[in-house]
Amino acid sequence: AQRVTQPEKLLSVFKGAPVELKCNYSYSGSPELFWYVQYSRQRLQLLLRHISRESIKGFTADLNKGETSFHLKKPFAQEEDSAMYYCALQTNTDKLIFGTGTRLQVFP
Amino acid sequence: SAVISQKPSRDICQRGTSLTIQCQVDSQVTMMFWYRQQPGQSLTLIATANQGSEATYESGFVIDKFPISRPNLTFSTLTVSNMSPEDSSIYLCSVNPWDIGYGYTFGSGTRLTVV
Repeated sequence: AQRVTQPEKLLSVFKGAPVELKCNYSYSGSPELFWYVQYSRQRLQLLLRHISRESIKGFTADLNKGETSFHLKKPFAQEEDSAMYYCALQTNTDKLIFGTGTRLQVFP
Repeated sequence: SAVISQKPSRDICQRGTSLTIQCQVDSQVTMMFWYRQQPGQSLTLIATANQGSEATYESGFVIDKFPISRPNLTFSTLTVSNMSPEDSSIYLCSVNPWDIGYGYTFGSGTRLTVV
């Protein structure tokens, strides 16, 4: 079965604390994974994709095929990071399967 | 990345009526995708719209309820037919990444409320 699991609905941290948003996937093929972010009153936008192995806004995510995970991390959270984060899996037919999302709240 | 214009941004409709949502892209794309996001839920793919062929629907979605048009490579419409309150959702269109070169791009969404 093709599935993306984000176990946490809400993650609350204080500014400057490390953040890890968890994502696990189930897919029989070679996964293409993404993190999307939706800030308040804005459209859904791509944050990063695993194939690029990049850091965007201080966030990184490493694909761990052994653990079938693609956790999103940031060493020092900022208030402007508060948003809804979705992990997504692209299938071999170019469909995106989304996780249920994690709301990140960063308190001052 | 591509720019997607989606309209209307929101609407309140009577049950039993239909609403057509439009999605315009500023670049030619092969595939366009329509998603639904029910209140408090994640995004669920409704169908994939290819220019020149019928849309491909996901399990649980049918053409009679969600007819889709794709007249050219920059435009698509999704109609929500014979609406009921259960259809109250945000509907989003998205474009295929490989045509644009980097990542999927989403429209701003249409917030539909059926009363």
